[in-house]
Amino acid sequence: KQEVTQIPAALSVPEGENLVLNCSFTDSAIYNLQWFRQDPGKGLTSLLLIQSSQREQTSGRLNASLDKSSGRSTLYIAASQPGDSATYLCAVGVGNQFYFGTGTSLTVIP
Amino acid sequence: ETGVTQSPTHLIKTRGQQVTLRCSSQSGHNTVSWYQQALGQGPQFIFQYYREEENGRGNFPPRFSGLQFPNYSSELNVNALELDDSALYLCASSPPGQGNEQYFGPGTRLTVT
Repeated sequence: KQEVTQIPAALSVPEGENLVLNCSFTDSAIYNLQWFRQDPGKGLTSLLLIQSSQREQTSGRLNASLDKSSGRSTLYIAASQPGDSATYLCAVGVGNQFYFGTGTSLTVIP
Repeated sequence: ETGVTQSPTHLIKTRGQQVTLRCSSQSGHNTVSWYQQALGQGPQFIFQYYREEENGRGNFPPRFSGLQFPNYSSELNVNALELDDSALYLCASSPPGQGNEQYFGPGTRLTVT
């Protein structure tokens, strides 16, 4: 069974700092990997989707990388802003379903 | 373009009762997946529907069942509610041929007392 781990569980940084969120998974036979943002009590907002054949995806200040062989993905956020404060979830696609980590709770301090 | 919508927003039920949650997929999306998210946890896959048929199921008992309609909207039914069923229930739809990217609705918060 696929296990997804996100470290750290919580992170607090000053505004303007660059930061990296980590996601690891146990089975490298994945279809894709998707990063999401979740605000308290809300649904998930898709940030980036990386197909298994890709190494990275970029959108604005966000860059996600994928290393299937080592079972790792990172989400890089440049020049963090208070509005980036949220929980960030990674989800690994295997067949018809996604396996989620428990998320990293990010606080950006003004 | 309307995104994924879910109803109701919040729901309070009593243990042993039955509940139906509804999801309207994003326009053009033919696949719907349902997830359960307990407080402080990541979402857990319940099942997926494609062309009105169940197309994969997670580790949930048979009292969790679903339907998909010809317009690709979907229902999640839970019978014999238990206290541990209290959670945020999320619906996600996916377009055809887009690498299975999922688009989530706002969720339904179910509280079982």
